[in-house]
Amino acid sequence: AQKITQTQPGMFVQEKEAVTLDCTYDTSDQSYGLFWYKQPSSGEMIFLIYQGSYDEQNATEGRYSLNFQKARKSANLVISASQLGDSAMYFCAVILTGGGNKLTFGTGTQLKVEL
Amino acid sequence: DTAVSQTPKYLVTQMGNDKSIKCEQNLGHDTMYWYKQDSKKFLKIMFSYNNKELIINETVPNRFSPKSPDKAHLNLHINSLELGDSAVYFCASSPRQAGLAKNIQYFGAGTRLSVL
Repeated sequence: AQKITQTQPGMFVQEKEAVTLDCTYDTSDQSYGLFWYKQPSSGEMIFLIYQGSYDEQNATEGRYSLNFQKARKSANLVISASQLGDSAMYFCAVILTGGGNKLTFGTGTQLKVEL
Repeated sequence: DTAVSQTPKYLVTQMGNDKSIKCEQNLGHDTMYWYKQDSKKFLKIMFSYNNKELIINETVPNRFSPKSPDKAHLNLHINSLELGDSAVYFCASSPRQAGLAKNIQYFGAGTRLSVL
């Protein structure tokens, strides 16, 4: 079974700075998808960004980018120009092809953006 | 218009009771899911339905029974509630199309269940 590891339970960043949230995964499958979700204190789960295992370029969505290193099995989320509204819990997740679209989540990183 | 809506948002009940959580999506997606988020924020899938057919059934007690009357609705019924069932339950939906990129799952706002 695949395992997702987020080693940073909590992170602090200054407003307007960039921050990297780490995510490593463990799967022997060659075809998979990596996702990041944001969960603010209000509780909803918000999809941020997706990276396919065969995508050659790193995914980007506005201020979010994904630093995908397939050989190292890492998919770190980079948030540029942090804003106070970025303070939230961030989850990395993976789906395996043929796995029934089952999202397996990491334990999350709590990000706090400070003035 | 809320894409994936769950009701109720909060549910407080006594041990032993039976309760239901409803979920509806207006995205036209074929696949719907139930996830459980425990007190440590860990999220784990419980069930998945594709066009009213059960396709994922993780190791979940039989007291939990999903029901999909049509592909836009996936309800969760829980019998004989226990203290350990206290959690946040999320409904999600995704399109059923080839390729992982199109199978982004969109979540509802969650239902916080407290069993006393």
